[in-house]
Amino acid sequence: GAVVSQHPSWVICKSGTSVKIECRSLDFQATTMFWYRQFPKQSLMLMATSNEGSKATYEQGVEKDKFLINHASLTLSTLTVTSAHPEDSSFYICSARDRGQYEQYFGPGTRLTVT
Amino acid sequence: AQSVAQPEDQVNVAEGNPLTVKCTYSVSGNPYLFWYVQYPNRGLQFLLKYITGDNLVKGSYGFEAEFNKSQTSFHLKKPSALVSDSALYFCAVRPRDSNYQLIWGAGTKLIIKP
Repeated sequence: GAVVSQHPSWVICKSGTSVKIECRSLDFQATTMFWYRQFPKQSLMLMATSNEGSKATYEQGVEKDKFLINHASLTLSTLTVTSAHPEDSSFYICSARDRGQYEQYFGPGTRLTVT
Repeated sequence: AQSVAQPEDQVNVAEGNPLTVKCTYSVSGNPYLFWYVQYPNRGLQFLLKYITGDNLVKGSYGFEAEFNKSQTSFHLKKPSALVSDSALYFCAVRPRDSNYQLIWGAGTKLIIKP
């Protein structure tokens, strides 16, 4: 149980285009979802937290107009990187938790490369 | 500022020997404590958590962790290491008054040698 999927697992896009990453909880309802960036050999950096049906709460320094998060249902959240630039290249990871769960369950991550 | 420290970037252990991966935290109150593992090219997997009660908690794959309130530590342990335990381990702490957000350690690379 507690499986989280992400799609795509990797994507290459050209500078200036937008990319959407999906995060799904497969066997539980994700009351809260989180989006992280992970840089090589570094820990996770929380980008934003979203509750189903509510606007996402972004961490300081994260541009909400650039990283659009939509938590449309209890099983799906999307992260759209708008007007991507090479510095947006990173490993993006989502996680989810259900009401009553203390722990978060993580997706496998999406490797974004902007050329 | 609240923080989580994993003082060792890398830990090397011979297969069959006990292993310890250290974690200390500086977080107010009585936070919730977690360990996650990240295998190469795979997502983070939840190992175990401490919420309340017995200071020794058992988790997946034979791992356990000991909570020490006076030392604000939550070290991860395993009695007998396997080569397949080689991975990146993260300690994370959640303040009780947070919106489920975690404060992460920098990670410790565990290498188990045959």
